[in-house]
Amino acid sequence: QVQLVQSGAEVRRPGASLKVSCKASGYIFTSFFMHWLRQTPGQRPEWMGRVDPGDGGTTYEQKFQGRLTLTRDASTNTIYMELSGLRSDDTAVYYCARGRSGWYLFDNWGQGTLVTVSS
Amino acid sequence: EIVLTQSPGTLSLSPGERATLSCRASKSVSSGYLAWYQQKPGQAPRLLIYGASNRAPGIPDRFSGSGSGTDFSLTISRLEAEDFAVYYCQQYGNSPMYTFGQGTKVDIK
Repeated sequence: QVQLVQSGAEVRRPGASLKVSCKASGYIFTSFFMHWLRQTPGQRPEWMGRVDPGDGGTTYEQKFQGRLTLTRDASTNTIYMELSGLRSDDTAVYYCARGRSGWYLFDNWGQGTLVTVSS
Repeated sequence: EIVLTQSPGTLSLSPGERATLSCRASKSVSSGYLAWYQQKPGQAPRLLIYGASNRAPGIPDRFSGSGSGTDFSLTISRLEAEDFAVYYCQQYGNSPMYTFGQGTKVDIK
């Protein structure tokens, strides 16, 4: 079965960077886009970007351009999300989610990684 | 940009009752590319319905979706204890292809 397992919770100071991993299993890694979304309590999910595990191609939401980098390691079936210039409003749960059939339709999700940005 | 508005904000029902959730789009959703997700506290969202009316694998048949154009609904025929959660609609047919509604909470009456 499809599994997406994310790395653990992180705490960062404002201005720092972080890198969250998402290890995929149970399907052909290179056949499905991987998306990243984030969510704050009581709010709807917010889409951040996606990466094509096949060729590493990326698409980012405009508000994250310049701060967000998505990469992949096909040898370990792992996707990485790196966010720089952290601010307090980046405090959220971050999810990786597999895209179904090339659409922005998220058919399997990681368990989420809580990121706290605080001085 | 398409805006999705869900109603009601909160639906208070008892187990065994029928739940009907609404999602209204500000413009027509291309090809009915409308999905529903369920989210329980502390968990990731789970895909329930895609293409407005297709159940995702493993989703019980008490969940059904319908609608087209700008008006969509999710129906839970008989609520079970595990169905009390927040439900989000999402459109994926119009740019930007990832807008979510604000959610409907189904809680126990």
